[in-house]
Amino acid sequence: AAGVIQSPRHLIKEKRETATLKCYPIPRHDTVYWYQQGPGQDPQFLISFYEKMQSDKGSIPDRFSAQQFSDYHSELNMSSLELGDSALYFCASSLGASGETQYFGPGTRLLVL
Amino acid sequence: GQQLNQSPQSMFIQEGEDVSMNCTSSSIFNTWLWYKQDPGEGPVLLIALYKAGELTSNGRLTAQFGITRKDSFLNISASIPSDVGIYFCAGHRSTSYGKLTFGQGTILTVHP
Repeated sequence: AAGVIQSPRHLIKEKRETATLKCYPIPRHDTVYWYQQGPGQDPQFLISFYEKMQSDKGSIPDRFSAQQFSDYHSELNMSSLELGDSALYFCASSLGASGETQYFGPGTRLLVL
Repeated sequence: GQQLNQSPQSMFIQEGEDVSMNCTSSSIFNTWLWYKQDPGEGPVLLIALYKAGELTSNGRLTAQFGITRKDSFLNISASIPSDVGIYFCAGHRSTSYGKLTFGQGTILTVHP
């Protein structure tokens, strides 16, 4: 079965640079979620979108923005990168806005030098 | 802040043994999910629980949604080496459209 696709899988950036992470949900899923996972930590919710509208917001820095497009894929834009932004970034998708059952992608490992 | 307490933090067991881990919360969740994560990979959904008292199995895995809706447990029977990984519980509230709240994770090591 098709799963959530994330690109790139690995990304290395310098401080103060920008990064764009992409997420392609499971076919027919209309809701995407973004999570950040630091080393040895559990995933922390950043933001979610349902039908191209923001549906929930967590601990997402103001330097980050995200959107969902008409084909339901989503992009997480990160500006003025800081060393502390180094983490695994996961996208998850679900069918419907309730978010009860979320399926995660393989993640993007971001390293900020 | 962290709202789910998951225990134990780590377990070292012999192949063939049964494993049990649990999550507790000070507040109610409407859905409990259990995920397994391998290093550097995304969490893989193992079991989803939607009703208080629900007991669900998936192969050698069994999970239950506590009656109070404030806890859940996961059992793994007859463990095998490929069960190694980090297991996370996650809770969802119907008042929160997107957010899953995760436990701290249980690191499982299985010795052959």
